[in-house]
Amino acid sequence: DAGVTQSPTHLIKTRGQHVTLRCSPISGHKSVSWYQQVLGQGPQFIFQYYEKEERGRGNFPDRFSARQFPNYSSELNVNALLLGDSALYLCASSLETGKYEQYFGPGTRLTVT
Amino acid sequence: AQTVTQSQPEMSVQEAETVTLSCTYDTSENNYYLFWYKQPPSRQMILVIRQEAYKQQNATENRFSVNFQKAAKSFSLKISDSQLGDTAMYFCAFMKWDDKIIFGKGTRLHILP
Repeated sequence: DAGVTQSPTHLIKTRGQHVTLRCSPISGHKSVSWYQQVLGQGPQFIFQYYEKEERGRGNFPDRFSARQFPNYSSELNVNALLLGDSALYLCASSLETGKYEQYFGPGTRLTVT
Repeated sequence: AQTVTQSQPEMSVQEAETVTLSCTYDTSENNYYLFWYKQPPSRQMILVIRQEAYKQQNATENRFSVNFQKAAKSFSLKISDSQLGDTAMYFCAFMKWDDKIIFGKGTRLHILP
């Protein structure tokens, strides 16, 4: 079975631009979470979506938004990119919410120049 | 707010030796989950071991085991018979019921041949 997939693998953008990152969860998983991992740090929680509804949001500005589609795939959007948005963006999926294990994708490496 | 602290930024051990990675956390919750994740250079975040706070018995997974001290809010990872493939960043992580995983800053572990 395919694991969590993310696209693109790498991305280079210029300050002020907009970016969309995509995530496909494991088949049957209804919950998707997004994390930002700055180089040398642990991942930080950005969003969680379950059944197409936002269930949690981390301490990130409104430039960050996300959505989940009927097939449970998800997009993370970041507007007005800043240099500090350069990071590895990880997506994780789980079967349901609560006590279920989260499986991570390989991430999208975003570089903002 | 919950916090996770890993006091060892980097460690090196010889192959086949036993190594222990330290982690402390802070929370006022009584029910929660603790994890150790491994992130090799490939960037894929892999769950190593998981502990439910309501279980007194320490979790084990083959060569990996934890020492969970709830009162002391300590959650260390022991790797026995270490192998070259264990070389990676190791993150201690905390989660309550809301699926929001809080990660420590990580310990970079080098297994030396």
